[in-house]
Amino acid sequence: AQTVTQSQPEMSVQEAETVTLSCTYDTSESDYYLFWYKQPPSRQMILVIRQEAYKQQNATENRFSVNFQKAAKSFSLKISDSQLGDAAMYFCAYHNNNDMRFGAGTRLTVKP
Amino acid sequence: EPEVTQTPSHQVTQMGQEVILRCVPISNHLYFYWYRQILGQKVEFLVSFYNNEISEKSEIFDDQFSVERPDGSNFTLKIRSTKLEDSAMYFCASSARVFNEQYFGPGTRLTVT
Repeated sequence: AQTVTQSQPEMSVQEAETVTLSCTYDTSESDYYLFWYKQPPSRQMILVIRQEAYKQQNATENRFSVNFQKAAKSFSLKISDSQLGDAAMYFCAYHNNNDMRFGAGTRLTVKP
Repeated sequence: EPEVTQTPSHQVTQMGQEVILRCVPISNHLYFYWYRQILGQKVEFLVSFYNNEISEKSEIFDDQFSVERPDGSNFTLKIRSTKLEDSAMYFCASSARVFNEQYFGPGTRLTVT
């Protein structure tokens, strides 16, 4: 089974600074999708960013960008100019066929 | 903006009882999913559903679980005989295509006593 590993249970960043959340995954597939989801205290999962494995170009979405290293099976999320509203649990997810696997999550704290 | 809705927001049930968790996916979506999240732990995939049948299910989704799309709008998860360890947050999600973004509902907190 595919596994997703987030090695940082907790991260902290100063407001306006940049933080990078790590994610690695294990798969034998060549075609798949990767996602970062944000789960604020309200607990609803919200998509942050999406990356297709066949695309070499790293996805970006405003202040959020990824560093996708397919050979290394690494998919990190960079948050630039961190805001207080970015504080949440962040889950990395691997999607292939009809199921999706999540990492254990990283709790991000943003300090004012 | 269209959204996935789930009812109830909180369900309390006694061990051994049956529960049905309800979800209304986004209307033009074709793929439906259930996930659970035990408090403080990661989100776990339970099952995916397409074209009125289960596409994929995890090892968690045993014979105690079933899903159904009884009409054109609802997507339900039934747990036949709840156990204490079924206590979790259950999220429904839907997507227009299989690799598209999944839109998550707000979740149903299930407490089994």
